[in-house]
Amino acid sequence: EDQVTQSPEALRLQEGESSSLNCSYTVSGLRGLFWYRQDPGKGPEFLFTLYSAGEEKEKERLKATLTKKESFLHITAPKPEDSATYLCAVPHNQAGTALIFGKGTTLSVSS
Amino acid sequence: DGGITQSPKYLFRKEGQNVTLSCEQNLNHDAMYWYRQDPGQGLRLIYYSQIVNDFQKGDIAEGYSVSREKKESFPLTVTSAQKNPTAFYLCASSKGPYLEQYFGPGTRLTVT
Repeated sequence: EDQVTQSPEALRLQEGESSSLNCSYTVSGLRGLFWYRQDPGKGPEFLFTLYSAGEEKEKERLKATLTKKESFLHITAPKPEDSATYLCAVPHNQAGTALIFGKGTTLSVSS
Repeated sequence: DGGITQSPKYLFRKEGQNVTLSCEQNLNHDAMYWYRQDPGQGLRLIYYSQIVNDFQKGDIAEGYSVSREKKESFPLTVTSAQKNPTAFYLCASSKGPYLEQYFGPGTRLTVT
């Protein structure tokens, strides 16, 4: 069964304290890994897509990387406005183009 | 301004009533999806549609129904057969297979 596991469940950082979020997956024939940001009470906002091991994507203080079994979302010098839940997803092999989501990592950045 | 709209934002219903959640997109996307999100859980797939007049059940379709009569619209009906309907419902669309999905703002349904 395809699975996506994110860790840690929650992460508290001080402003400027860099860290990484992990997303591990067990799918056969990965066809993309997606990162989203979700603020409380809102729909997820698309951040990155990674398609092959070794690929990296960056956006402001965020950098996503991909290996054959996991992906990392690195947050460099975070600010309070980076506080959100970060979700990772992979294509659902039994459901066409739908996605399987992890439970997310809730990041809190304090000033 | 392209995007996905969901209405209403909050919905309250009595147990035993059917309720329909609206989802409209003007992104010209072929595929549309419905997910459910519960506290502490990831998004779970209810139904999806890859083209007009065609849709498939997702992982938790029991107690739900959908239609896809127009490319832009994919309404979800939560029926009285759904045992735990209170949740945050998210609609999404994508341009094609293995491409990013874009989400609407969600509808929070409370059934008492």
